[in-house]
Amino acid sequence: EVQLLESGGGLVQPGGSLRLSCAASGFTFNKYAMTWVRQAPGKGLEWVSSISGNAADIYYADPVKGRFTISRDNSQNTLHLQMNSLRAEDTAIYYCAKYYYASGSYSLDCWGQGTLVIVSS
Amino acid sequence: EIVLTQSPGTLSLSPGERATLSCRASQYVSRSFLAWYQQKPGQAPRLLIYGASSRATGIPDRFSGSGSETEFTLTISELEPEDFAVYYCQQYGTSPRFTFGQGTKLEIK
Repeated sequence: EVQLLESGGGLVQPGGSLRLSCAASGFTFNKYAMTWVRQAPGKGLEWVSSISGNAADIYYADPVKGRFTISRDNSQNTLHLQMNSLRAEDTAIYYCAKYYYASGSYSLDCWGQGTLVIVSS
Repeated sequence: EIVLTQSPGTLSLSPGERATLSCRASQYVSRSFLAWYQQKPGQAPRLLIYGASSRATGIPDRFSGSGSETEFTLTISELEPEDFAVYYCQQYGTSPRFTFGQGTKLEIK
């Protein structure tokens, strides 16, 4: 069974840092690109960052570019998101999700339960 | 940047009825890159439809997707009580990688 388990969320002051982790199991981790998606309280889904299976290709949404860093440890089947210079508008549930490729299509077929990040003084 | 606009914002229906949810793109979207998700309160999103019309593993056949270019539709043929949730469309692109619509809330009438 494919499982993703996020950790590392919490309360942090504006300007602070947090490192989120996502432990993956049930699939060959290094063969799949992974993504972070966030959801502010009561709001919709917002893509944050993606990383290819071998970490050669990395992408960021404009609101987090230069502040967040995505990485992966394929030996530990773990995805990370280092978040620096946090702002109130970064407050959200952060989900990690696995890419799904099928017949040329791209979507996200497995999601973790999410970890809540609150940026507040 | 492609913007996805979902309508209606809220849809009030009864179990057994048919639900039709719309997703309109501001530019052409390849069918391959259009997906639909369901999200229930306190839960992560769940993939329903990929490639505009293919059901994900374990998704009942009352869920169907259709459309092309800039107009896409998610149809639920006969609503079950567990179908009342928020639905999001998503497109895959170059930058940003994933774009989501704002969601349609399907509520019990």
